Amino acid sequence: EEQLLESGGGLVQPGGSLRLSCAASGFTFSGYALSWVRQAPGKGLEWVAGISGSGGTIYYIDSVKGRLTVSRDNSKNTLYLQMNTLRADDTAIYYCAKDGFSNVRGWFDPWGQGALVTVSS
Amino acid sequence: DIQMTQSPSSLSASVGDRVTITCRASQSISSYLNWYQQKPGKAPNLLIYAASSLQSGVPSRFSGSGSGTDFTLTISSLQPEDFATYHCQQSYSIPYTFGQGTKLEIK
Repeated sequence: EEQLLESGGGLVQPGGSLRLSCAASGFTFSGYALSWVRQAPGKGLEWVAGISGSGGTIYYIDSVKGRLTVSRDNSKNTLYLQMNTLRADDTAIYYCAKDGFSNVRGWFDPWGQGALVTVSS
Repeated sequence: DIQMTQSPSSLSASVGDRVTITCRASQSISSYLNWYQQKPGKAPNLLIYAASSLQSGVPSRFSGSGSGTDFTLTISSLQPEDFATYHCQQSYSIPYTFGQGTKLEIK
């Protein structure tokens, strides 16, 4: 069974940093792209970033460029999201999601259970 | 960015009803449209990909149709476990974008 498990969420002050991890199992990790998708409280879903299976191609939405960095360690079957200079509007549940392809193609299945990030003073 | 608009935003229906949710893209996305179901406190779950292909393990009462800018998700006979929020998402171009969601509630 394919599974994703996020960790690292928490409360952080504006301007602070946090690193999320997403541990994968049940599939050939390096063979698939992965994405981070977030959901602010009571709001819809927002795709944030995606990384190819090799890690060689990365995409971000404009609002997080220069502040959030996605990476992966294929030897550890783990995806990361380094979050710097956090703002209140970054408050959300962050989900990692497996793509159906080695390139970032936007077919998300499965998803992890999510990690809550709260940015507040 | 491609804007995705779902209608209605919320919907009340009864077990056994046939329900249709609509998703409209701000430009043509061919058939690059996916549907997800999300239950309270849970992660989304892929139901339909490429506009009309049923994801493995998803009941056949779910179906999708459309191409270009207009798409529909249909549940042929609502079951108690189908009451949830449904999201459409375009996978035509980055940044991938979602509709605002349609909350399906019990009447």
